[in-house]
Amino acid sequence: GAGVSQSPSNKVTEKGKDVELRCDPISGHTALYWYRQRLGQGLEFLIYFQGNSAPDKSGLPSDRFSAERTGESVSTLTIQRTQQEDSAVYLCASSLSPRGFNEQFFGPGTRLTVL
Amino acid sequence: DQQVKQNSPSLSVQEGRISILNCDYTNSMFDYFLWYKKYPAEGPTFLISISSIKDKNEDGRFTVFLNKSAKHLSLHIVPSQPGDSAVYFCAASAGSNYKLTFGKGTLLTVNP
Repeated sequence: GAGVSQSPSNKVTEKGKDVELRCDPISGHTALYWYRQRLGQGLEFLIYFQGNSAPDKSGLPSDRFSAERTGESVSTLTIQRTQQEDSAVYLCASSLSPRGFNEQFFGPGTRLTVL
Repeated sequence: DQQVKQNSPSLSVQEGRISILNCDYTNSMFDYFLWYKKYPAEGPTFLISISSIKDKNEDGRFTVFLNKSAKHLSLHIVPSQPGDSAVYFCAASAGSNYKLTFGKGTLLTVNP
């Protein structure tokens, strides 16, 4: 498929465990974004990648959250020592470039449930 | 502090009638506004946008109106179709900033 893909689609974990969420952006898109949507809320910006570097990590809620991107392609968002408040849908998006307006294409999201 | 507000969590309209979705913002630095549509279990998809230098942008059945003095925008869908039933998110950005600030969304239901 040509769209943004994310895996897993659903993840249930126990409090205190680490989780890794994966995003495969559209080929050729240099910019990649992670958002989080908690129940009843809008999408919250987490982090942005331009190529493999992350110039803006301002949305990461705590140092338990980290992300990396390799090969200007796949990105992983890691949450260490998960807490119940981390339960949310984690959405990844990509765009051709972050400059000016370039439409962000979203993946279907990973629904994370922390028990 | 919510910078983009969608005060109606839901809206129900009859097929063929107009749907009007509203959005208010507080940050005067926002100069680009977007509407995204989201079906269950799918990611949001871009619908239509407007720059602050305009007050109206039209694309087929969808029109977005921007009132800068009121810091208000609205999305009009005419005529509404059952397939339009989805959650609609308003989003905004400042300058060429990639960072989108989203509202909480409005669930639109179009009844046949």
